[in-house]
Amino acid sequence: AQKVTQAQTEISVVEKEDVTLDCVYETRDTTYYLFWYKQPPSGELVFLIRRNSFDEQNEISGRYSWNFQKSTSSFNFTITASQVVDSAVYFCALRTGANSKLTFGKGITLSVRP
Amino acid sequence: EPEVTQTPSHQVTQMGQEVILRCVPISNHLYFYWYRQILGQKVEFLVSFYNNEISEKSEIFDDQFSVERPDGSNFTLKIRSTKLEDSAMYFCASRPGREDYEQYFGPGTRLTVT
Repeated sequence: AQKVTQAQTEISVVEKEDVTLDCVYETRDTTYYLFWYKQPPSGELVFLIRRNSFDEQNEISGRYSWNFQKSTSSFNFTITASQVVDSAVYFCALRTGANSKLTFGKGITLSVRP
Repeated sequence: EPEVTQTPSHQVTQMGQEVILRCVPISNHLYFYWYRQILGQKVEFLVSFYNNEISEKSEIFDDQFSVERPDGSNFTLKIRSTKLEDSAMYFCASRPGREDYEQYFGPGTRLTVT
């Protein structure tokens, strides 16, 4: 069975603060894929990043960075210098197998105050 | 950029009625999915569809649910006799054949059962 745990439920920061969203996953498969999606108030799911289990390189994209650590089964997401537009629900998700479903965590509601 | 589309954006129906939610996946994608999100909760997998048949379904996807790809472009989710607890946002997603690609989500259909 696979599982994604996002222990933080709500985070509130002031604009320009850095914030890290935690994600811990469980799977017995050796090949798997990890994802982060953003759900703004408008409701759509916006893809942010995909990582496969063989690629532990951290990634940076503008103000966003991701830290993948297989040793702790974690795939954490950091937003640097947060902005009000970052306010959304962020979901971490896991997929194993060639055509398998995405298993989502419960999501973290991030509020960035001006 | 190609995108997944869903219609309608919002559907209101009475308990016991049948509803059909429609999706047009991205044209060269091979894997199709339906997910649902009850308000304020996590995104849950319903069903995956590949090569004109269901490849996986969740416990939620009982006999009241069915999926179809009637004409090679549309992908539909039918709920035969809606219940109050079917009220949710329903997301369609599609994915290319390559295993390492992410799922592309549509904007969702909000279903309200009264």
